[in-house]
Amino acid sequence: EAGVTQSPTHLIKTRGQQATLRCSPISGHTSVYWYQQALGLGLQFLLWYDEGEERNRGNFPPRFSGRQFPNYSSELNVNALELEDSALYLCASKDGGSSFGELFFGEGSRLTVL
Amino acid sequence: AQSVSQHNHHVILSEAASLELGCNYSYGGTVNLFWYVQYPGQHLQLLLKYFSGDPLVKGIKGFEAEFIKSKFSFNLRKPSVQWSDTAEYFCAVIGGSGTYKYIFGTGTRLKVLA
Repeated sequence: EAGVTQSPTHLIKTRGQQATLRCSPISGHTSVYWYQQALGLGLQFLLWYDEGEERNRGNFPPRFSGRQFPNYSSELNVNALELEDSALYLCASKDGGSSFGELFFGEGSRLTVL
Repeated sequence: AQSVSQHNHHVILSEAASLELGCNYSYGGTVNLFWYVQYPGQHLQLLLKYFSGDPLVKGIKGFEAEFIKSKFSFNLRKPSVQWSDTAEYFCAVIGGSGTYKYIFGTGTRLKVLA
């Protein structure tokens, strides 16, 4: 069974540009979570999608946005990039039918903003 | 709002030493608690989880955790660590009230010396 896949693995952008990160959940999983992992800050909750809708978002500015497609894959967009957006962005999926189920993580996309 | 605190940011132990990593959460309602582990170069994976019932839960690789409701704690323990336990450990909580946000702590980096 294929796990959660994320692309690209690495991305280098400059300040003010936009970044798009992609995530494919485990087959059958309808929930997708996005986290930002910056050094020393642990995993900061960004967004949660389920069944194509945004269910909740963390304390991030509106330039962090995303969407979930009909096949349950997801995209995270970061506009007007700032230096502090440099981090590892993790995607995780969960069986949507299980409210408190386990999260399955991808390897992450490392975004570097110069 | 939900929050999770991990007080030990870096822990260094010798092989065969006992391990206890602290985790405290802040949430007034029913919670479900997790410990995830990230081995070097690998993605985050579930170590153990508590949903209900026996507050002492056992996970993979000899790890266990105890849920103490009165202390809002879910500490991770292992009687005798091995060099292969070197990793970063994250405590996580998911609360109800319809939000189902998975909140993670800042993580504890464990280094086990051979």
